[in-house]
Amino acid sequence: SQELEQSPQSLIVQEGKNLTINCTSSKTLYGLYWYKQKYGEGLIFLMMLQKGGEEKSHEKITAKLDEKKQQSSLHITASQPSHAGIYLCGADPGSRLTFGEGTQLTVNP
Amino acid sequence: NAGVTQTPKFQVLKTGQSMTLQCAQDMNHNSMYWYRQDPGMGLRLIYYSASEGTTDKGEVPNGYNVSRLNKREFSLRLESAAPSQTSVYFCASRVYGTGFNYGYTFGSGTRLTVV
Repeated sequence: SQELEQSPQSLIVQEGKNLTINCTSSKTLYGLYWYKQKYGEGLIFLMMLQKGGEEKSHEKITAKLDEKKQQSSLHITASQPSHAGIYLCGADPGSRLTFGEGTQLTVNP
Repeated sequence: NAGVTQTPKFQVLKTGQSMTLQCAQDMNHNSMYWYRQDPGMGLRLIYYSASEGTTDKGEVPNGYNVSRLNKREFSLRLESAAPSQTSVYFCASRVYGTGFNYGYTFGSGTRLTVV
């Protein structure tokens, strides 16, 4: 089965700082999802990357897929308190979405 | 609003009791999923249904049963609840296809405590 490892497990940053979260797969990545979860709530779909080298942006969040490294990174520019939450990467070989353990992001004002 | 609806939102059970978690989606999605989320373990797949009439086991199916009642509804049943099943349960759905918009849509979760 495909395993996803996220780093760091938790991250505390000052508002306005940039940050990066990484997701590394044990197997070849054919597609990678990023979700955000606020405490006690459901998962919000951020973006999906399908091709090696693909890069997508939504507001101040950019994600890239490095197929050779079997890795994806999520970068937040000029972080805000609204970015706080748990970020989860997921992959779905065989249409069964599996997740990394998540990265807990805290943004201090 | 269109999406995935889960009921109930909260539930407390005694060990040995049974209950069914309900999930419905109104997006005409083909596939539906049940996950559980525990601290430090991310989300783990319990069961999924690729299409109406089919169900398959995920990573952690023991102690659970599912029913894909129709295309809209996918229920999760705990026959004899155990404290180890204390968790937050999420239902998700997905339309088959590729592309940016074919992400999985999640419900808001059911917080279950077994005492």
